[in-house]
Amino acid sequence: AQSVSQHNHHVILSEAASLELGCNYSYGGTVNLFWYVQYPGQHLQLLLKYFSGDPLVKGIKGFEAEFIKSKFSFNLRKPSVQWSDTAEYFCAVNEVNTDKLIFGTGTRLQVFP
Amino acid sequence: GAGVSQTPSNKVTEKGKYVELRCDPISGHTALYWYRQSLGQGPEFLIYFQGTGAADDSGLPNDRFFAVRPEGSVSTLKIQRTERGDSAVYLCASSPGGRAVEAFFGQGTRLTVV
Repeated sequence: AQSVSQHNHHVILSEAASLELGCNYSYGGTVNLFWYVQYPGQHLQLLLKYFSGDPLVKGIKGFEAEFIKSKFSFNLRKPSVQWSDTAEYFCAVNEVNTDKLIFGTGTRLQVFP
Repeated sequence: GAGVSQTPSNKVTEKGKYVELRCDPISGHTALYWYRQSLGQGPEFLIYFQGTGAADDSGLPNDRFFAVRPEGSVSTLKIQRTERGDSAVYLCASSPGGRAVEAFFGQGTRLTVV
């Protein structure tokens, strides 16, 4: 069965530090890839997505992610985090021949000023 | 409205009771999803609809859970004989559908079974 792994469960950073959150998936076919963010008390929001083309995708708020097909990975990065980036981040994968969207368990990011 | 709306936002029920959770998707979105999120976990897939039909209900944990979308818009998730383990936030999302799915989430319904 398709699965999504996020190995970093809780990340603590100071402002201006660089961020990289790992995401690996198990499905061998063609996939769409997503990162969602959930700020405290708010609903899940799309941060960025990859459907095809350039494997380096840029999202909102300075986030980017790189799809490495050979590694089945879609890691999220930000060069310099801000206190306002404190949130929970979820990687999600969708098989292109279905509309089923599978989520990882999430990574809680805390950024201290 | 502009976004996905879920009602109620909070529901407290006694063990053994029946509950219904409602989702109003974004107008025109053909795909609708239900997820369950327990504390410290990611959203767990339950079921999704394409139009009126359940395209994939493989995530429903058992036959106490059922969902409908009779007119291809509003959906209701129904839970019979609720158990304390059903306590979670139930999330609904909708998507324009098609090959490149992008789901838009509601605020969720927090269900507490006491």
